[in-house]
Amino acid sequence: DTGVSQDPRHKITKRGQNVTFRCDPISEHNRLYWYRQTLGQGPEFLTYFQNEAQLEKSRLLSDRFSAERPKGSFSTLEIQRTEQGDSAMYLCASSFSARNTEAFFGQGTRLTVV
Amino acid sequence: AQSVTQLDSQVPVFEEAPVELRCNYSSSVSVYLFWYVQYPNQGLQLLLKYLSGSTLVKGINGFEAEFNKSQTSFHLRKPSVHISDTAEYFCAVSLSGSARQLTFGSGTQLTVLP
Repeated sequence: DTGVSQDPRHKITKRGQNVTFRCDPISEHNRLYWYRQTLGQGPEFLTYFQNEAQLEKSRLLSDRFSAERPKGSFSTLEIQRTEQGDSAMYLCASSFSARNTEAFFGQGTRLTVV
Repeated sequence: AQSVTQLDSQVPVFEEAPVELRCNYSSSVSVYLFWYVQYPNQGLQLLLKYLSGSTLVKGINGFEAEFNKSQTSFHLRKPSVHISDTAEYFCAVSLSGSARQLTFGSGTQLTVLP
């Protein structure tokens, strides 16, 4: 068990560019979550998957945000046409639904839009 | 919908002194409660959780918390802090029975002074 892995750890992009982040959950976990954390705030829930099904996506911040988990393993979060307000830490977490256990978080991807 | 209020944004305390970080929540249904710790540029690590049963919950690193349903509180305590406890602490809730997405408070920065 290597924990939740996120890549890249840091991303600097120009306004208007598209970015994609990857999350590899703990191997036996079937639930995967994405959160956004801005400076001085707690994480804010964005979306979650159970296996490959995206069960909640109403909290995605705009239609520029999308997430996929095509084979029920790793997930990607894409932001199109980035804006300066998208600068934040993007956190991924995973859990195992059958045990109703807590979520384990990755170290996050810090996005800076310039 | 659930909400979490962390009443203190910053708590400075001297080494070996006791500390209490306050958390109040609002929910019309039963919830699970969690405390996470975040070190600079890192993801979140679970300190402890309340799912059911005993209202006094013990976690890692000598922390404990008490669930008080009548006061809708889940305050975090440690009898003697160390320099290494300096970090941001987040209280979070989720709907009970599902442990799905978490709603976080805005965090409390604990600074332990020598």
